[in-house]
Amino acid sequence: QSVLTQPPSVSGAPGQRVTISCTGSSSNIGAGFDVHWYQQFPGTAPKLLIYGNNNRPSGVPDRISGSKSGTSASLAITGLQAEDEADYYCQSYDSSLSGWVFGGGTKLTVL
Amino acid sequence: QVQLVESGGGLVKPGGSLRLSCAASGFTFNDYYMSWIRQAPGKGLEWVSYMSSTGSTIQYADSVKGRFTISRDNAKNSLYLQLNSLRAEDTAVYYCARARRVVAASDYWGQGTLVTVSS
Repeated sequence: QSVLTQPPSVSGAPGQRVTISCTGSSSNIGAGFDVHWYQQFPGTAPKLLIYGNNNRPSGVPDRISGSKSGTSASLAITGLQAEDEADYYCQSYDSSLSGWVFGGGTKLTVL
Repeated sequence: QVQLVESGGGLVKPGGSLRLSCAASGFTFNDYYMSWIRQAPGKGLEWVSYMSSTGSTIQYADSVKGRFTISRDNAKNSLYLQLNSLRAEDTAVYYCARARRVVAASDYWGQGTLVTVSS
């Protein structure tokens, strides 16, 4: 059971918009700690996709965005492409654990 | 360019030990928190441990506390993880990653090293 809760899977057709939610608690997201998002393809290491709730590293397209409100955060991907099919993880810091927490991951399928 | 290269994984019997290494290059190693994050086969990411740039701050996940020890050698640009009293549930790919601060994102990850605990 992950400290941060994500839906196990989401799907969308090419060109559509999908969102992935990440729900935490008052000791992590709700405490004001930043949320980060990672993208992972099978057999490869995770790659940073969004940092500090809504910032994109160089090279990440602007059709990918993040937001945070209260004890939750969301990742949005617009103009869905086949290359977006991957696993996505949210991550934050938890003050009661004094450690990092991850969501269980969401598998995005492009129909 | 930034590179993190893990090594030391392998097959070990339950109760055994292993030492993982992470060689860093392309950045000022002693400016960064370093961490270990693992992923069991077919499962999600699990944070294992982190250490501050100077080594003054160390934290472990409850699942490994008392069994794993993180360390670093800033002179060698290297991060280590000593794994003792290994259990089947420790079987995973172990990644090292860097972060600017304890609350910052891990912006670079290694390719991972597989640890298999089995008799």
